[in-house]
Amino acid sequence: DAKTTQPTSMDCAEGRAANLPCNHSTISGNEYVYWYRQIHSQGPQYIIHGLKNNETNEMASLIITEDRKSSTLILPHATLRDTAVYYCIVRRSGGGADGLTFGKGTHLIIQP
Amino acid sequence: DAGVIQSPRHEVTEMGQEVTLRCKPISGHNSLFWYRQTMMRGLELLIYFNNNVPIDDSGMPEDRFSAKMPNASFSTLKIQPSEPRDSAVYFCASSPLLGSGDHNEQFFGPGTRLTVL
Repeated sequence: DAKTTQPTSMDCAEGRAANLPCNHSTISGNEYVYWYRQIHSQGPQYIIHGLKNNETNEMASLIITEDRKSSTLILPHATLRDTAVYYCIVRRSGGGADGLTFGKGTHLIIQP
Repeated sequence: DAGVIQSPRHEVTEMGQEVTLRCKPISGHNSLFWYRQTMMRGLELLIYFNNNVPIDDSGMPEDRFSAKMPNASFSTLKIQPSEPRDSAVYFCASSPLLGSGDHNEQFFGPGTRLTVL
């Protein structure tokens, strides 16, 4: 699976959009971009995934650049409960039955 | 749905003792994963099972660690003998086993915090 690079930490004001970047310059054509987050003292939680098109669900939006070498996770209206470590993970299609390889992630702190 | 259930939630033991961590996956899920999280190494995959069969145990740190899945609703991770460096939070996760190209989300349990003195 391709390696990802994320900023170590970010701050965002409550109510504003939180934009979390991820670089995955070695991603290959059959690899998806997944985002998970881990709130303090809890297990990781799936947020969203995509291949090349932008995706949106009830939690977030995922913007993938045309060359697929980077992506941005957007939390449109951040709340204090969104404070967590966010992991960007690249994994191959059909990798549904494989384990996840977590990096260090981005510690997002939502400020009141 | 109760989600993934792990027990115990906290375990404190002395070096040299045997430790058994337990996991009940979500009903209907036939992939099960064991992860370990420490400050130094972050989240690491230890082993995973598909249809109760171990597929990849390359993440198991050493022979002191073993995992079993005797049936679709139960798995154990055993450490014998335990050492202080095994202190970590151990997560179990489950997911449906789908075909190639299908997305499957992993659902994580609350974790077991293990402290080895």
